[in-house]
Amino acid sequence: QSVLTQPPSVSGAPGQRVTISCTGSSSNIGAGYDVYWFQQLPGTAPKLLIYGNSNRPSGVPDRFSGSKSGTSASLAISGLQAEDEADYYCQSYDSSLSGSYVFGTGTSVTVL
Amino acid sequence: QVHLQESGPGLVKASETLSLTCAVSGGSISTYSWSWIRQPPGKGLEWIGYIYWSGSINYNPSLKSRVTISKDTSKNHCSLKLSSVTAADTAVYYCARHFQYDSGVIDGFDPWGQGTLVIVSS
Repeated sequence: QSVLTQPPSVSGAPGQRVTISCTGSSSNIGAGYDVYWFQQLPGTAPKLLIYGNSNRPSGVPDRFSGSKSGTSASLAISGLQAEDEADYYCQSYDSSLSGSYVFGTGTSVTVL
Repeated sequence: QVHLQESGPGLVKASETLSLTCAVSGGSISTYSWSWIRQPPGKGLEWIGYIYWSGSINYNPSLKSRVTISKDTSKNHCSLKLSSVTAADTAVYYCARHFQYDSGVIDGFDPWGQGTLVIVSS
């Protein structure tokens, strides 16, 4: 059972902006641990999208942005495109679980 | 560029041990840390455990009693063993390299292998 909660799904029309929340607690995101975001296209392995809360690896479009505040983090996708239709997962670390890496519950993004 | 390839039996009988290998090419397994992560069909990601570059190992508490992760530097691969499997262990199993950056507090995962589906049969 994941300790990071995400909405099951979000949707938007092409060109719109959508946001995905990742809600944790004082033992993970709230403890100051970094948040990472991954994009998983259908039938493929997850791909690193955001690291260190808000940084994009080279090659990731600047339409993707991340932020963190308190015990939560968010991923925003602006200028939504059909190719953004995928599952998105946040990831952090939890000190209350003998030091475990933890993933969010995952969010499916649909482009209308 | 580092490439990871998981391999192992795609079908394991219930109560037996699942054994997978992650072959690393394009880089040395000794230089980085590695994790195993799994994803049951249609469900989310679950971290299984890691082996650090130093040899330090840690497991998900929910799986700790059944998991063993190791590495073989001569073969440049790491391995996962999960004992006493049940249908709940049916999943795509991924290996991933730990991603670190200068001011990072914790690691992320990049790149990932393509994953291998393991089905536990009764």
